[in-house]
Amino acid sequence: GIQVEQSPPDLILQEGANSTLRCNFSDSVNNLQWFHQNPWGQLINLFYIPSGTKQNGRLSATTVATERYSLLYISSSQTTDSGVYFCAVPDRGSTLGRLYFGRGTQLTVWP
Amino acid sequence: DTGVSQNPRHKITKRGQNVTFRCDPISEHNRLYWYRQTLGQGPEFLTYFQNEAQLEKSRLLSDRFSAERPKGSFSTLEIQRTEQGDSAMYLCASSLGMTYNSPLHFGNGTRLTVT
Repeated sequence: GIQVEQSPPDLILQEGANSTLRCNFSDSVNNLQWFHQNPWGQLINLFYIPSGTKQNGRLSATTVATERYSLLYISSSQTTDSGVYFCAVPDRGSTLGRLYFGRGTQLTVWP
Repeated sequence: DTGVSQNPRHKITKRGQNVTFRCDPISEHNRLYWYRQTLGQGPEFLTYFQNEAQLEKSRLLSDRFSAERPKGSFSTLEIQRTEQGDSAMYLCASSLGMTYNSPLHFGNGTRLTVT
């Protein structure tokens, strides 16, 4: 199956700082999703972003499919941003079937 | 849109017992997925349904695991003769699978502990 690598594995920030999370994948994909898992375990879909750039408030994501990576930007971080951020991509040729997840980036934001 | 609902939230069972989990997807979503997550890892795919048809199964889904979605609405995941290695968070997700712009929506999960 496709390999998904996320970096950094851990990130500690002070409130108000900006950060960039990276997701590399081993094969061409037709979609990519970013998720946030809060400290209670709930996985929330942040972005569906097969290519290009999307913005949602303080968060934005960019996927460069030809170079097999995606970036998640968090600006002016808040303590509520803490949790684990995952990216996920489908099997080659899949249309929203099996998704492969990375191991995530654990983000801790201190007040 | 009440979100994806999973029951129970927690289940503690003794090794060798059978357990069954239930997932109610978002009502208009035709695709339903089961994933498993262990500590420090991302979710791992188990199986997915389009309406009532089970279209894909992972090799993680051994003979002791079975999933159903009898009327294309809710789904159940049964684990027979549980083993300690089955301890994990079992996550259900749903999506509207008719277009590519269909993100996955996850439930809160069922945490299984096998003693």
